[in-house]
Amino acid sequence: EAGVTQFPSHSVIEKGQTVTLRCDPISGHDNLYWYRRVMGKEIKFLLHFVKESKQDESGMPNNRFLAERTGGTYSTLKVQPAELEDSGVYFCASSRTPRGQFFGPGTRLTVL
Amino acid sequence: GENVEQHPSTLSVQEGDSAVIKCTYSDSASNYFPWYKQELGKGPQLIIDIRSNVGEKKDQRIAVTLNKTAKHFSLHITETQPEDSAVYFCAATHGSSNTGKLIFGQGTTLQVKP
Repeated sequence: EAGVTQFPSHSVIEKGQTVTLRCDPISGHDNLYWYRRVMGKEIKFLLHFVKESKQDESGMPNNRFLAERTGGTYSTLKVQPAELEDSGVYFCASSRTPRGQFFGPGTRLTVL
Repeated sequence: GENVEQHPSTLSVQEGDSAVIKCTYSDSASNYFPWYKQELGKGPQLIIDIRSNVGEKKDQRIAVTLNKTAKHFSLHITETQPEDSAVYFCAATHGSSNTGKLIFGQGTTLQVKP
């Protein structure tokens, strides 16, 4: 079974630019999550999809972040416009039930 | 808000010794507690988890204990090996596990010296 994949693995952009991160969950996993780890701190929850619906987006920092999961398969997380404090590693996770989340390798975002 | 405190932030042990990482959570409704291991360049990998109706769970050299009254849970690694070196994260559910949202500790960098 293929794991969670994320693209790109690294992204370096300038402040004010737009970046889109992609996550492909494990096939058959209805639950998809986005998390972020900033500056070596704890991993923080951003949002949770069940199929194509946003179940919980309480962790989204502000309206510069937009997550979508059209068709209930892969998901994208767009940051527009990016700010310096958005730098960090963005993880995607998926699961069949809310327990047992499998994480992807992450996308390291650097905003200059 | 809900939070999870994890200690120590770094831990160095000699190969063959035991390692213990402790976490404390604040949300009394939390009922699922996973532990993740993150190796360099990889994403967090689930290594063991425990539910609130269980006090202890063991899987080979890894064990987790839970004290619901004190809101503490701990990871125990026995007979440590160099490949156990990694960053370990504890987590707790936000409320009941039906929500899916995990609250993570700050992470512990474990170094096992050969």
